[in-house]
Amino acid sequence: DTEVTQTPKHLVMGMTNKKSLKCEQHMGHRAMYWYKQKAKKPPELMFVYSYEKLSINESVPSRFSPECPNSSLLNLHLHALQPEDSALYLCASSQQQGYEQYFGPGTRLTVT
Amino acid sequence: AQSVTQPDIHITVSEGASLELRCNYSYGATPYLFWYVQSPGQGLQLLLKYFSGDTLVQGIKGFEAEFKRSQSSFNLRKPSVHWSDAAEYFCAVGASNFGNEKLTFGTGTRLTIIP
Repeated sequence: DTEVTQTPKHLVMGMTNKKSLKCEQHMGHRAMYWYKQKAKKPPELMFVYSYEKLSINESVPSRFSPECPNSSLLNLHLHALQPEDSALYLCASSQQQGYEQYFGPGTRLTVT
Repeated sequence: AQSVTQPDIHITVSEGASLELRCNYSYGATPYLFWYVQSPGQGLQLLLKYFSGDTLVQGIKGFEAEFKRSQSSFNLRKPSVHWSDAAEYFCAVGASNFGNEKLTFGTGTRLTIIP
């Protein structure tokens, strides 16, 4: 099974709200990733966790805060977002960092 | 740093016709190469990958790709496309040096299928 699940599918939030995106995989993968994708663009890497430790932070604004509670779960906490943060947020996982990545269906985020 | 170029932004193909999507990469060592497909509003699905070995790689849904080191290319092919192949296709290169393993995506090629 190569399934990565993400909740919620859609999220609308105001600029003063706090919300979280969740990602889960049960493939035993030890690397997990957050990407942001704008319309008609490729995914942009935000964060990488390897063995539950933050491995890469692509200079993402602090209003995005990742968390990896265990090897199966990855969260992205959102606070004080801007309208330009509206995008499709994709989670992915791989056996280890550098191996092929398996993507979830994404969360469509709209910031009003 | 690695980079990927997909020179075709949009390709239109008749159903049943053959398909080739181009991908050129830049990387100093032997790259890890991938093709992903994305339907509108969906996540990315891995079609195939190349790490080493046989330069002709078979993937899912009848796709194949050929790694050509001399041309720095990893073109995706399918002998006969189906209407369900209409989607966005991304080529990606992964860095193989330990500690910096992340994917760099090309800008994508949108595939339209006409009846």
